[in-house]
Amino acid sequence: NAGVTQTPKFQVLKTGQSMTLQCAQDMNHNSMYWYRQDPGMGLRLIYYSASEGTTDKGEVPNGYNVSRLNKREFSLRLESAAPSQTSVYFCASSDAGRILYGYTFGSGTRLTVV
Amino acid sequence: QKEVEQDPGPLSVPEGAIVSLNCTYSNSAFQYFMWYRQYSRKGPELLMYTYSSGNKEDGRFTAQVDKSSKYISLFIRDSQPSDSATYLCAMSGGTASKLTFGTGTRLQVTL
Repeated sequence: NAGVTQTPKFQVLKTGQSMTLQCAQDMNHNSMYWYRQDPGMGLRLIYYSASEGTTDKGEVPNGYNVSRLNKREFSLRLESAAPSQTSVYFCASSDAGRILYGYTFGSGTRLTVV
Repeated sequence: QKEVEQDPGPLSVPEGAIVSLNCTYSNSAFQYFMWYRQYSRKGPELLMYTYSSGNKEDGRFTAQVDKSSKYISLFIRDSQPSDSATYLCAMSGGTASKLTFGTGTRLQVTL
């Protein structure tokens, strides 16, 4: 099925551990995004990549890094996890210049930092 | 103050009721408006989109935009238990701009 695939679906980390969240899309979209979703806070943009080879900070980038590996893949790395990073993480993609088609989201990664 | 405000709910209605979900916004540059539906433990999915002011209907769903009041609405007629989800509004100022999301309204349709 076409769409956005995120791995892993669930993860528990200890404070200070690192991990990479993987995201891949097969819709030939130019733009990709990483969001976190917390109760009462809605979706907050962490980083985005408007096109292959470019990345930019969003609303809450501290503690995260990203890599746009190629047009299909956009990874999010937590170098030293903190309990404040416990959240549900969503990757999304879109066709640049065609905003009416919206974003396509993955099913999310539920991360708990203890 | 957030650019997009949305009542978090929860909103509980009986099956068959008409539901009204709303968002207000402050950025007059917004001209593309969308509604996403998010089921529990799933990612948001695009439900409807509209451009500029006016109404758009799709089955039981109607999206309404009032740019003069900076107010958008989603109406659900004959609501069903399967409509129980969180509904997020989203908007953008241009075709190449990022979406700005509301925080979402949780809807529960009861039998």
